[in-house]
Amino acid sequence: EPEVTQTPSHQVTQMGQEVILRCVPISNHLYFYWYRQILGQKVEFLVSFYNNEISEKSEIFDDQFSVERPDGSNFTLKIRSTKLEDSAMYFCASRRESSGANVLTFGAGSRLTVL
Amino acid sequence: AQSVTQLDSQVPVFEEAPVELRCNYSSSVSVYLFWYVQYPNQGLQLLLKYLSGSTLVESINGFEAEFNKSQTSFHLRKPSVHISDTAEYFCAVSDQQGAQKLVFGQGTRLTINP
Repeated sequence: EPEVTQTPSHQVTQMGQEVILRCVPISNHLYFYWYRQILGQKVEFLVSFYNNEISEKSEIFDDQFSVERPDGSNFTLKIRSTKLEDSAMYFCASRRESSGANVLTFGAGSRLTVL
Repeated sequence: AQSVTQLDSQVPVFEEAPVELRCNYSSSVSVYLFWYVQYPNQGLQLLLKYLSGSTLVESINGFEAEFNKSQTSFHLRKPSVHISDTAEYFCAVSDQQGAQKLVFGQGTRLTINP
């Protein structure tokens, strides 16, 4: 069964450093998403991406965050200058566009720890 | 804007007992409804979904959920739980149009005791 692949599985960084989280969505999927889950809290939407541009973003997704699809396969989330409160599990998801409903498939997540 | 409320943050039950995890949602438009499961130290896996048609939907491992439009609910049930069902369960909704992003509830931690 096709999978969404995320790397790294765990990253530890110092506050103020830049972090890039990588995702390889399912190959025929066209919508891409990033979510985050702070420890013990609910899963929160960050951003959706379609046709090489952001289609929707949440209030969390401020200027410190950016996404891109640099090579047609990877989908990356960059945090420019990490803060302690960025420590969370980050989930990538993808969805195949269709005229009807279809379902998001999630990756296993990347745990980010900011010290 | 949509919101999802899971009324119970933790539900402890004994093995082979029935369980119901409650989910209510709020939305001004028609939605799709989902339950995702997160086993310890793992990612989110789709458990079941309601898109259209029959309001009762089932998963392959014995869970079922019923969409109740008048009560804006999508409660998850299983008649007899197993130790392996121990996990966090998230209810979620999405628009039927556009990006169809998921809005999640707070999650319910289901703990099965022997």
